[in-house]
Amino acid sequence: EAQVTQNPRYLITVTGKKLTVTCSQNMNHEYMSWYRQDPGLGLRQIYYSMNVEVTDKGDVPEGYKVSRKEKRNFPLILESPSPNQTSLYFCASRGVSNQPQHFGDGTRLSIL
Amino acid sequence: AQTVTQSQPEMSVQEAETVTLSCTYDTSESNYYLFWYKQPPSRQMILVIRQEAYKQQNATENRFSVNFQKAAKSFSLKISDSQLGDTAMYFCAFSRYGNKLVFGAGTILRVKS
Repeated sequence: EAQVTQNPRYLITVTGKKLTVTCSQNMNHEYMSWYRQDPGLGLRQIYYSMNVEVTDKGDVPEGYKVSRKEKRNFPLILESPSPNQTSLYFCASRGVSNQPQHFGDGTRLSIL
Repeated sequence: AQTVTQSQPEMSVQEAETVTLSCTYDTSESNYYLFWYKQPPSRQMILVIRQEAYKQQNATENRFSVNFQKAAKSFSLKISDSQLGDTAMYFCAFSRYGNKLVFGAGTILRVKS
């Protein structure tokens, strides 16, 4: 089954404790992206990757890092999480440019 | 920069009736994609319908159809024969080359029995 898998689904943690949200896709997609969803703001892009070792900032990259060492994986790293990063996070991937993006099931992060 | 505006934070509709969700966007591009995504309480992001800007014909998917007005930069979603399972948050989104999606703030739709 074609899918984008995120882990964990839920996480409660404390300020400053480094965390990683993993994202993996099994569709051999080149393009992958991270979004955060906040009430009244919709989803906003954090980072994206056009291919292995090619990443770039989206609209709200502050406080986040990403890496793309393998085509299938695109982890989101919060090196020193803060409460304003409490949000719902989505990973997405896309094949050729005229195809829609596939989304993971979301990760709810709460940073206390 | 592109922006997407959904002016209806919440809407409700009776089961079996028709409802229209509004979306306007701002861009200087001539070729782009527009989408409606559904987010049920399970929080999955489900693609409802997609429109390519160079196609004048409005997209339809079963009970879902759009009214795409390119000159007015308007992209509304019509849901016919509303069902309880249509209860969800609906997001309108814009994409230039299929890469970054720019989302509206969303409209919560409640279908009442």
